[in-house]
Amino acid sequence: EPEVTQTPSHQVTQMGQEVILRCVPISNHLYFYWYRQILGQKVEFLVSFYNNEISEKSEIFDDQFSVERPDGSNFTLKIRSTKLEDSAMYFCASNEGRNYGYTFGSGTRLTVV
Amino acid sequence: AQTVTQSQPEMSVQEAETVTLSCTYDTSESNYYLFWYKQPPSRQMILVIRQEAYKQQNATENRFSVNFQKAAKSFSLKISDSQLGDTAMYFCAFMKFNDYKLSFGAGTTVTVRA
Repeated sequence: EPEVTQTPSHQVTQMGQEVILRCVPISNHLYFYWYRQILGQKVEFLVSFYNNEISEKSEIFDDQFSVERPDGSNFTLKIRSTKLEDSAMYFCASNEGRNYGYTFGSGTRLTVV
Repeated sequence: AQTVTQSQPEMSVQEAETVTLSCTYDTSESNYYLFWYKQPPSRQMILVIRQEAYKQQNATENRFSVNFQKAAKSFSLKISDSQLGDTAMYFCAFMKFNDYKLSFGAGTTVTVRA
C-alpha cells in the first residue's frame, strides 16, 4: 500500500536553530498538509498546500514557518528559528482530493532544547 | 470553527468484547465528513473509517462500525471482537464539505486486555 514517508523520525535541535522536516507524499496525491501534535494534546492543523501554493494556514503557522515543494516528490516544512514550544510531533499527510481521508506519515518528533 | 468533543479520555475492554467510543461535534454546516483515526503506540495516524453526512447509512469497515446521528451531531465508533492490536488512541475528526482541514477531538485511549 502506498505510504507517506517522513524523515527524520526524531530530530533534536537547539532553540533558535532552523529545522527542515521532510516528507514524500503519495505520488498521485494532489493535496499536502502539515499537522502537529504537542505531547498529550490534540492534533492541530498547520497548513495545506495545493498546486504549488498554500491553500490555507492556521494561526499557528506564523512567519517562522514555511513550506515548499522543491521538486516533484518532496514536501518540506521549515521552522526558521525554533522555540521550546515548537517541540511536538509533526505529521505530514496527503490525499487525492478534498474530503477524502488523508494518508498520514509516521511523523517526526521534534525536540527543541 | 468546528468543535469535536470526545468525552471519554480512556477506555478498557477485554479481548473479543465490544467497545463503543463517543464523539459529538458542533457545526452549522449541513454537508460535511466525519472520520475516525487510530494512533497506536508507534504514533502513526491511521484512517479507520469515513462517513459522509449526506449518507444515512452508517459506514462499516470489518470490525469497525459507526453510529451516525446527524440530528444529535453524534458519531460513535464501535469496535467489535476487540483485538490486542486495537490498543491505541482513537481520534474523531470533522471536515467541512469543500474544505481542506481536519478538526480533531482530544482522543480516547483504548486498551485491550488479554
